Amino acid sequence: GAVVSQHPSRVICKSGTSVKIECRSLDFQATTMFWYRQFPKKSLMLMATSNEGSKATYEQGVEKDKFLINHASLTLSTLTVTSAHPEDSSFYICSRQGLYNEQFFGPGTRLTVL
Amino acid sequence: AQKITQTQPGMFVQEKEAVTLDCTYDTSDPSYGLFWYKQPSSGEMIFLIYQGSYDQQNATEGRYSLNFQKARKSANLVISASQLGDSAMYFCAMRHTDKLIFGTGTRLQVFP
Repeated sequence: GAVVSQHPSRVICKSGTSVKIECRSLDFQATTMFWYRQFPKKSLMLMATSNEGSKATYEQGVEKDKFLINHASLTLSTLTVTSAHPEDSSFYICSRQGLYNEQFFGPGTRLTVL
Repeated sequence: AQKITQTQPGMFVQEKEAVTLDCTYDTSDPSYGLFWYKQPSSGEMIFLIYQGSYDQQNATEGRYSLNFQKARKSANLVISASQLGDSAMYFCAMRHTDKLIFGTGTRLQVFP
C-alpha cells in the first residue's frame, strides 16, 4: 500500500492566491522529505529538502519566499505556493527516504493556476 | 558533476518480449546508488529496483533486472516478459548525498 500520501490531488486556483499542499509519511517517521516539480513530459526537478524542525534546504534557482515549506512533525511536510501565477502550474510530488536511500513518492498534486 | 542520461525518448515492445531501457551516469563519487522508477499516466512514481555501487551482483526484482556495468557507467533496466501494464514513463536516477538526480525518462509502449 501507499507509504506517502498527498493532498489535494488536484487544485485549480486563481492567480494571486496561495495554495497549500500536504505530504504525509504514512508508515514511517520521516525527518527528511523532498519536494519535486515536474513539467509536462519532463523529468522531476528537486525543489527543496524538507527537514523536520528546521529550515528547508532549497535548490539553486528555487525562490524560498515563493515556495514555503514547513516540516512541523515527523509525518507531515507542507508546501505552500504563495501568490500563485500561471507559470507555477505544474505537477508537484513529495517523497520520503527509505532504508537504502531510495525514495518513496506520493501520488502528486496537479496545480493549475488560472 | 553528477549526471544521468537516458538517450531513448521512446521505446516500443511487443507483449511477452523483453526490453532494455538504457541509462548512463557520470559521477566522481566512489559510493553511489542507482534507481529505476516507473511513472504511469496517473503520475505516481513507483520504485522498481536499486543497485548500489559496491554491489557485486546485478539487482533483480521479479521481471525487472538491472544490467550494471560499472566500467561503462551504465545501469540499463531489463524488463522481461513485457505486459500491457508496463506501458509508462521510466526514469533512471542516481543518489547524490541525500538527493536523487533523475534522467529525462523513456516512454515505453507495450503493444499486443
